[in-house]
Amino acid sequence: EAQVTQNPRYLITVTGKKLTVTCSQNMNHEYMSWYRQDPGLGLRQIYYSMNVEVTDKGDVPEGYKVSRKEKRNFPLILESPSPNQTSLYFCASSLLAAQTREQYFGPGTRLTVT
Amino acid sequence: GENVEQHPSTLSVQEGDSAVIKCTYSDSASNYFPWYKQELGKRPQLIIDIRSNVGEKKDQRIAVTLNKTAKHFSLHITETQPEDSAVYFCAPLWGSARQLTFGSGTQLTVLP
Repeated sequence: EAQVTQNPRYLITVTGKKLTVTCSQNMNHEYMSWYRQDPGLGLRQIYYSMNVEVTDKGDVPEGYKVSRKEKRNFPLILESPSPNQTSLYFCASSLLAAQTREQYFGPGTRLTVT
Repeated sequence: GENVEQHPSTLSVQEGDSAVIKCTYSDSASNYFPWYKQELGKRPQLIIDIRSNVGEKKDQRIAVTLNKTAKHFSLHITETQPEDSAVYFCAPLWGSARQLTFGSGTQLTVLP
């Protein structure tokens, strides 16, 4: 089954404790992206990757890191989480070559930083 | 980057009525205009899209119209049903990297 998976789905952590949210897709998509969703602000892009070893900042990259060592995986790293990073996070992937750019989203990760 | 505005932010309609959500964008080179639906507690999913060489596209009860001159596109839902209650996002494609910028979302509530 074609899908995007994220882990963990829920995470409660404390300020400053490094964490990683994993994202994996099995559709051979070149493009992968991370979004955060906050009430009234829609989906804001954190980082994106056009292919392996190619990453770039989105609209709200501060406090986040990513890596793209393999085509299927795109982990999101919070080196020193702060309470303002409490949010719902979505990973998404899409084909670059497609005429459209349909984003296939993962199930989301709800992060709480205390 | 692309400046995207979506209106209204909330919309309540009676079951059976129509709903219209509008999205304006700033990049005149944008050429792909999708709408996503996010049901409560679920991930966003594409429901309809349109390319810039087409003015309108329909899929059963939903349609998208595009006005490239005015730089806006709209989602139309006719004969609304309770299962249409969700948050809807526009996400025009822009730039040489063909990036998506999502609107802030419209919470549609269909009242029985």
